[in-house]
Amino acid sequence: DVKVTQSSRYLVKRTGEKVFLECVQDMDHENMFWYRQDPGLGLRLIYFSYDVKMKEKGDIPEGYSVSREKKERFSLILESASTNQTSMYLCASSPREGGNNQPQHFGDGTRLSIL
Amino acid sequence: RKEVEQDPGPFNVPEGATVAFNCTYSNSASQSFFWYRQDCRKEPKLLMSVYSSGNEDGRFTAQLNRASQYISLLIRDSKLSDSATYLCVVPRRTGGYNKLIFGAGTRLAVHP
Repeated sequence: DVKVTQSSRYLVKRTGEKVFLECVQDMDHENMFWYRQDPGLGLRLIYFSYDVKMKEKGDIPEGYSVSREKKERFSLILESASTNQTSMYLCASSPREGGNNQPQHFGDGTRLSIL
Repeated sequence: RKEVEQDPGPFNVPEGATVAFNCTYSNSASQSFFWYRQDCRKEPKLLMSVYSSGNEDGRFTAQLNRASQYISLLIRDSKLSDSATYLCVVPRRTGGYNKLIFGAGTRLAVHP
């Protein structure tokens, strides 16, 4: 079974803080993704990575950055947290082969509150 | 128009009922599709993949209509445990990369 692990289930931070969300997968997947999920908006892609040290912007990258130093780990960074970044953050991974035919496997999610 | 549109519901049905959700998509180039299930405060989990005209897995049937660009999910003999939000997912290829576009979800509540 694919296991995607996010470092925290719940996190409370203050406005202006630098926030790190960590994600690790154990299936040697090439592709990793960060989403945020808000009521009525569904999942929106923030950043993704198709290989080590490689990153691409998703649909809503503003205010975020990412790091992929190792294949199994993909980190999401909020450079200076703001209250509109309060959300559920979901990490996902998928294998490269099969392209669009491959579903993504999700971690448990991190519910982040910015005060 | 959103790339993937779903009726948000909620659909409130009794146990044993048959319920169907529809999902429309705008990218006519999409070839494969997915339905995910998400329980309250949990992560989305893959329910079914749809690669051709449809797919059936026990009480669940997914159908694809490429001409009209919609996908449906049919649940027969609903169980209490089917209560969840169902997400329609459509791939999109952008700039040489494959992404998945998620609908906002349809909420199902099955009652005794």
